[in-house]
Amino acid sequence: DVKVTQSSRYLVKRTGEKVFLECVQDMDHENMFWYRQDPGLGLRLIYFSYDVKMKEKGDIPEGYSVSREKKERFSLILESASTNQTSMYLCASSLGLAGDYEQYFGPGTRLTVT
Amino acid sequence: GENVEQHPSTLSVQEGDSAVIKCTYSDSASNYFPWYKQELGKRPQLIIDIRSNVGEKKDQRIAVTLNKTAKHFSLHITETQPEDSAVYFCALKGDSTLTFGKGTMLLVSP
Repeated sequence: DVKVTQSSRYLVKRTGEKVFLECVQDMDHENMFWYRQDPGLGLRLIYFSYDVKMKEKGDIPEGYSVSREKKERFSLILESASTNQTSMYLCASSLGLAGDYEQYFGPGTRLTVT
Repeated sequence: GENVEQHPSTLSVQEGDSAVIKCTYSDSASNYFPWYKQELGKRPQLIIDIRSNVGEKKDQRIAVTLNKTAKHFSLHITETQPEDSAVYFCALKGDSTLTFGKGTMLLVSP
């Protein structure tokens, strides 16, 4: 059974703080993804990674960076948090890229930036 | 990236009725169309998917249809039950990742 976990369910940070969101998967998946979910906007891809130390920008990468030092772990970094980054952040993993393999999602981290 | 329009944004039905959610897209190269269900407070999960070489796929009470000529695909839920209440997302394959629709909140009233 695939398990994707995220470091926090709820997080409150102040404007300007550096924020780390961590995601871990235990199924040896090659690909990992970070999305943000906002009401009425669906799931929007921030960054993804198809291998260790590899990263690709998604549709909304501005204000974010990522790190993948180990296969099972994918971190999302907000260098200087802003209020417009208040959102639900979802991590996902899959064995392969889109079209061939299901994406498995983590439980989400609800981030509030004040 | 690829654009996908999902309608309606909210849908209320009575238990036992059918529900239909439709998504339209523009890139004719798209060939994989999954649907994810997200119950309140839970993570999205894949419920059904279809590839471009078939027009319809069924799994018990849910089905997905694809019209590649018209560039739209739909989720059909028959005999709806309260546990079908959730947000449903369509998606399609872009270059190497999925593009999701904005979601449909389905509410099934007993």
